[in-house]
Amino acid sequence: NAGVTQTPKFRVLKTGQSMTLLCAQDMNHEYMYWYRQDPGMGLRLIHYSVGEGTTAKGEVPDGYNVSRLKKQNFLLGLESAAPSQTSVYFCASSYSGGKFFGPGTRLTVL
Amino acid sequence: GNSVTQMEGPVTLSEEAFLTINCTYTATGYPSLFWYVQYPGEGLQLLLKATKADDKGSNKGFEATYRKETTSFHLEKGSVQVSDSAVYFCALSGLGGAQKLVFGQGTRLTINP
Repeated sequence: NAGVTQTPKFRVLKTGQSMTLLCAQDMNHEYMYWYRQDPGMGLRLIHYSVGEGTTAKGEVPDGYNVSRLKKQNFLLGLESAAPSQTSVYFCASSYSGGKFFGPGTRLTVL
Repeated sequence: GNSVTQMEGPVTLSEEAFLTINCTYTATGYPSLFWYVQYPGEGLQLLLKATKADDKGSNKGFEATYRKETTSFHLEKGSVQVSDSAVYFCALSGLGGAQKLVFGQGTRLTINP
């Protein structure tokens, strides 16, 4: 099992550019999540999904979109990147017993 | 709203010292409580959890007890090691469905040999 994987690991964007972060899990988990981690603020939930084809907004959804076309993948999109979106992004998947986190994607928006 | 407050870091201790990282929460209802650990350059890993009042979670020498009367879930370890150096996050879940987690701000722990 690879667990939860994220692509890419690092990315630098210019303001206004777009990109998609990919999260994949091979544990057949129903629930998947995207968080952002900023210094001194812990992790904040961006969007989440309770199953294939479903998505919902979290605590800080503005400026992001997501899709869950396949159960094992959860995509996070930035249509027009802004410097305020500079952060470390973590994907997670879960079952009833607990959550598994990916290694993170460090995104810098100039 | 629901929130988690952790003691501010960073915390620096010597090897074999006793560790306490305070965590208190505000929530409606009865959440599950968690401690996650993040080692440098890695994602978060579940360290321990407790799902109801008076439960004690434990793992790798760490312990935390769910105290409903003080709305606390303090993390303790009797003798820390250099390998315990990491960032520790307290979190709650179980409110509003979908197992969403609300995190504290994290506490960076450094253990010196």
